[in-house]
Amino acid sequence: TQLLEQSPQFLSIQEGENLTVYCNSSSVFSSLQWYRQEPGEGPVLLVTVVTGGEVKKLKRLTFQFGDARKDSSLHITAAQPGDTGLYLCAGVLSNDYKLSFGAGTTVTVRA
Amino acid sequence: NAGVTQTPKFRILKIGQSMTLQCAQDMNHNYMYWYRQDPGMGLKLIYYSVGAGITDKGEVPNGYNVSRSTTEDFPLRLELAAPSQTSVYFCASSRPPTGVDEQYFGPGTRLTVT
Repeated sequence: TQLLEQSPQFLSIQEGENLTVYCNSSSVFSSLQWYRQEPGEGPVLLVTVVTGGEVKKLKRLTFQFGDARKDSSLHITAAQPGDTGLYLCAGVLSNDYKLSFGAGTTVTVRA
Repeated sequence: NAGVTQTPKFRILKIGQSMTLQCAQDMNHNYMYWYRQDPGMGLKLIYYSVGAGITDKGEVPNGYNVSRSTTEDFPLRLELAAPSQTSVYFCASSRPPTGVDEQYFGPGTRLTVT
């Protein structure tokens, strides 16, 4: 079983539409990260959130950390084909420092 | 800076063969990690190292071994390869983690065991 559950597993949308990816757990995390991975490459960090209720914006991407630090979401506004990729959430448990990864959400943005 | 480099990029092994996946980083990071990525399963931690001479098991260590003789290199050894080890392997490095540090990933090695 995954410590972090991501949904949906796959998402295909038209250019210009909005999308939201969710990352949920029953465990409390001291921090949570979102990575993006393109085919044939390793994951690349997009953002780290550390405070419950925190919202961070990165251009058209908005990241939110739940108040209880058990969940997070990634919202993309006006998606573009360049946003296509595998989005992974990864968390650090309060009593650890190693990352636990979700299974990922594959996002396809059609032109 | 080359960052994290991995060789080979692709490899096909027969059942029972052995091989070493190479990983090197030039960022002077103390912490290094090996993950495997299977479709729909995310990344699973195999082994990690907090510095030269120190290694520890992750979530899925069976069938693998590691060594860390230098800060830069962290090779992963597969002994007696099995089809269940077919996967994409990623090496990563970071500074001593405080929970907010970025892990830097290599481009991966795609391994097929037949």
